[in-house]
Amino acid sequence: DTGVSQDPRHKITKRGQNVTFRCDPISEHNRLYWYRQTLGQGPEFLTYFQNEAQLEKSRLLSDRFSAERPKGSFSTLEIQRTEQGDSAMYLCASSFTGFADTQYFGPGTRLTVL
Amino acid sequence: AQRVTQPEKLLSVFKGAPVELKCNYSYSGSPELFWYVQYSRQRLQLLLRHISRESIKGFTADLNKGETSFHLKKPFAQEEDSAMYYCALDNAGKSTFGDGTTLTVKP
Repeated sequence: DTGVSQDPRHKITKRGQNVTFRCDPISEHNRLYWYRQTLGQGPEFLTYFQNEAQLEKSRLLSDRFSAERPKGSFSTLEIQRTEQGDSAMYLCASSFTGFADTQYFGPGTRLTVL
Repeated sequence: AQRVTQPEKLLSVFKGAPVELKCNYSYSGSPELFWYVQYSRQRLQLLLRHISRESIKGFTADLNKGETSFHLKKPFAQEEDSAMYYCALDNAGKSTFGDGTTLTVKP
């Protein structure tokens, strides 16, 4: 296991198109997180799963964003009708539930919306 | 609402000098605080967390609830410490990050 992986690493799309990103967590980790990061800012929490259940979703997330983790393993993040403001780095992290559990981050998917 | 503030975007010190990266938080409960580091071309990784009260790579951080701060300190900075540092607060799985401080250690 080489850690958290994300695919694709880069995505360029036109405004109005839908995009989907995938995250594969560390195999024994039951928690999975999605963040968005724009230039000059820290990661911004989007949502997280414990196993297949989505436990928290940021109110900042519009209805165009949806995430799934159907079998409690990999997760997908879909953005519908992309806007230029969606251009950012999308980070995934995973952890094993515990007190102040450590999150392990993936390399991120950089999205550019033209 | 929880908030994390890192007042310095950039910090530059000479090798061997002490370094302190500031972090202030706003949270009504008992916070779980972390420092993450991102070296050039590498992914974000945990540096240390307050509950462990540990020293990693010579760095320590003390939680001061009175001042709502969690500053990161190292007595003698090394060139390899040059990186982006993020302070983060976790509330039952929802993490809030500061905007980061870029530390440059000059030879």
